[in-house]
Amino acid sequence: EAGVAQSPRYKIIEKRQSVAFWCNPISGHATLYWYQQILGQGPKLLIQFQNNGVVDDSQLPKDRFSAERLKGVDSTLKIQPAKLEDSAVYLCASSSNTDEQYFGPGTRLTVT
Amino acid sequence: SQKIEQNSEALNIQEGKTATLTCNYTNYSPAYLQWYRQDPGRGPVFLLLIRENEKEKRKERLKVTFDTTLKQSLFHITASQPADSATYLCALVSTGGGADGLTFGKGTHLIIQP
Repeated sequence: EAGVAQSPRYKIIEKRQSVAFWCNPISGHATLYWYQQILGQGPKLLIQFQNNGVVDDSQLPKDRFSAERLKGVDSTLKIQPAKLEDSAVYLCASSSNTDEQYFGPGTRLTVT
Repeated sequence: SQKIEQNSEALNIQEGKTATLTCNYTNYSPAYLQWYRQDPGRGPVFLLLIRENEKEKRKERLKVTFDTTLKQSLFHITASQPADSATYLCALVSTGGGADGLTFGKGTHLIIQP
């Protein structure tokens, strides 16, 4: 079974630029999550999708972050404009109904 | 405010001994608690899940306990090996609702010395 795929693996941008991350979950997994992991911290949930609907986006900074999951499969997370404090690893995870979450390798974002 | 605390400093254990990691939480009513392993440059990997009505769960050399009165979970690795060296994350899901995104602690960096 293929795992969660994410791209790009690394991205360096200047502040105020925009950036987008892509996630392809495990086939058949209805639930998709985006987490932000700052160095030395645990992952922090940004948004949860159930199929193509948003279940929880209470911790998503909506003034600059947006996410979509068209057709209930792949998802993109966008930051516009980026700030220095957005430097982090962005993790995508998916799950079926087993409570266990499967994480991708993450995208490491550096904002200069 | 809600808080999840794990040993913030690295934990050094001699190979073959039992490693015990602690996860304490406040102001949560967790439906269940999970433990994940994270290696450098990789995403977390699920290890064990324990529900609020369970006291203990085992999987091979791993054991998790969950005490909702003390608001604490202990994670044990018996017969530890250098390959067990990694960061271990505790994560909670609160009771109720369809939202089941995880709230993670900072993690404990475990080092198993040969």
